[in-house]
Amino acid sequence: EVQLVESGGGLVQPGGSLRLSCAASGFTLSDHYMDWVRQAPGKGLEWVGRTRNKANGYTTEYAASVEGRFTISRDDSKNSLFLQMNSLRTEDTAVYYCTRVVRNILWNWFDPWGQGTLVTVSS
Amino acid sequence: DIQMTQSPSSLSASVGNTVTITCRASQNIDNYLNWYQLKPGQAPQLLIYAASNLQGGVPARFSGGGSGTDFTLTISGLQPEDFATYYCQQSYSTSHPFGQGTKLEI
Repeated sequence: EVQLVESGGGLVQPGGSLRLSCAASGFTLSDHYMDWVRQAPGKGLEWVGRTRNKANGYTTEYAASVEGRFTISRDDSKNSLFLQMNSLRTEDTAVYYCTRVVRNILWNWFDPWGQGTLVTVSS
Repeated sequence: DIQMTQSPSSLSASVGNTVTITCRASQNIDNYLNWYQLKPGQAPQLLIYAASNLQGGVPARFSGGGSGTDFTLTISGLQPEDFATYYCQQSYSTSHPFGQGTKLEI
């Protein structure tokens, strides 16, 4: 079964750091692009960033709202994806999801998603 | 950046009804459009990919249509488990891919 499980969320003060993890199972992580998506309380889904696969050099891309503060990395040998979040702001409070990017010729979509992990930035 | 606009933002319906949610892109995205269902405390679920293709395991009462800038998600014969929030997502570019969501309520 293809599955993603996030961990590492919690309460952090503004300006602090947190590292989220996403454990992947049932597929070969190195073959896939992986994204992080978040949902702030009462808000919609917001794309956070992407790491491309080994064949595409593990390049990364980020939303403007997190560029320079968040870093996506991966350890394919451990089937794990990470989101390092620095200089956290109250507006970063959200449930964070990791998701696999399924690529099919020209199209792509997110499947599956993890259950999410809650990050609360508050003093 | 491509902007995705969903309508309505919320929708009240009853079991057995048929409902349609609309998603409009700010520019032509061909059929690079996916639909997801989100329930509180659960992992989001892919329903439709490439505008009209039903994801495996998703009930046939869900259908998607459209191309270019205007897209629809139709749920025929609503079931109790369908009351959730639905999001469209454009896969034409990575920035701002999601619509703002449509909350389907009883």
